[in-house]
Amino acid sequence: GDSVTQMEGPVTLSEEAFLTINCTYTATGYPSLFWYVQYPGEGLQLLLKATKADDKGSNKGFEATYRKETTSFHLEKGSVQVSDSAVYFCALRGSNSGYALNFGKGTSLLVTP
Amino acid sequence: DAGVIQSPRHEVTEMGQEVTLRCKPISGHDYLFWYRQTMMRGLELLIYFNNNVPIDDSGMPEDRFSAKMPNASFSTLKIQPSEPRDSAVYFCASSWDVGELFFGEGSRLTVL
Repeated sequence: GDSVTQMEGPVTLSEEAFLTINCTYTATGYPSLFWYVQYPGEGLQLLLKATKADDKGSNKGFEATYRKETTSFHLEKGSVQVSDSAVYFCALRGSNSGYALNFGKGTSLLVTP
Repeated sequence: DAGVIQSPRHEVTEMGQEVTLRCKPISGHDYLFWYRQTMMRGLELLIYFNNNVPIDDSGMPEDRFSAKMPNASFSTLKIQPSEPRDSAVYFCASSWDVGELFFGEGSRLTVL
């Protein structure tokens, strides 16, 4: 079945460092891909998405490119801030699996001043 | 809009007791999802509804779990009887068609 694999956390970075969180997927057909963010004590919020190969999703300085050839959707940010500390979830919606999202296990990010 | 509203935010109960979690989706959304979040298993889809009709309940762990959506503005997830391994954060989310999922703040359940 469809699945998402994320790099294990926690990830600890200093402010202004470069961030990469790896995400790879397994799916039949042409899934849509998402990154969600969860701040402490809150529900998940959509960060960005891409619906077809080579699409780049971007929001709040974060970017991710849908790479069908490597089945990847890595999240990047050029300069992280303390306020980016959160848990990041990669997710997919399979083209053959209905409307629900399959989530990765999440990657915790801590940014220190 | 107030967003997806879940209650209670926290619930502590003893093994064997019935637990009912509640969710009010965003008005106008036609999909409602229940997810469970644990450290070990991450986010798992339990069940989802479209226009109040259950579409996929294959993620419901066992017969102790049941979910209903009597109308477009209310859903419940019931666990009876509860067990310690049911301890988790339960999230409700809603969406319009195949759009973005909007999550509630979650209900943290602890079963002693």
